[in-house]
Amino acid sequence: NAGVTQTPKFRVLKTGQSMTLLCAQDMNHEYMYWYRQDPGMGLRLIHYSVGEGTTAKGEVPDGYNVSRLKKQNFLLGLESAAPSQTSVYFCASSSWDSTNSPLHFGNGTRLTVT
Amino acid sequence: AQSVTQLGSHVSVSEGALVLLRCNYSSSVPPYLFWYVQYPNQGLQLLLKYTTGATLVKGINGFEAEFKKSETSFHLTKPSAHMSDAAEYFCAVTSGGYNKLIFGAGTRLAVHP
Repeated sequence: NAGVTQTPKFRVLKTGQSMTLLCAQDMNHEYMYWYRQDPGMGLRLIHYSVGEGTTAKGEVPDGYNVSRLKKQNFLLGLESAAPSQTSVYFCASSSWDSTNSPLHFGNGTRLTVT
Repeated sequence: AQSVTQLGSHVSVSEGALVLLRCNYSSSVPPYLFWYVQYPNQGLQLLLKYTTGATLVKGINGFEAEFKKSETSFHLTKPSAHMSDAAEYFCAVTSGGYNKLIFGAGTRLAVHP
């Protein structure tokens, strides 16, 4: 079972460059999320989606955009990367059929912005 | 607003010793609480969750947690640590619907022989 797959696993960007992170899930989950993980700060929600064609802002959305054109995919874009966006990015998905369904996480993308 | 505080960013125990990782939460509504574990270079995996009902929750790998409403706590325990338990542990609380989670800062558990 693939679960949640993130690509790429690693990326190095120069300040001002753009990139897109791809998340794909094969569990037919309605809900998808993008979190960033920074040392000593846990995981913070960037954006999330509650269904195909919908997106919403999380706790730290500035500098990021997202799209959910297909139910199984959730893309995270950085239009103009900044060193403050150096982080590990995690995608997760969850079923809508319960108010306490757990999140299923991918293995992360380590992004360095120089 | 919901929040989670994990006391102790690093905990070190001997193999076979009790593991106790502390988590306190703040929530304006009855909380759903989770513990996740992260092994090196991997994503987070669910250890256990509390929703309603029994306040002592058992999870995978011998871990359990007790929900104490009066103390707003959800501490994670394991009677006997194993070397394979070395990882980072995150406590989380649901926030704002759609199964969104607020995470604590994490506790890194080291297990030494």
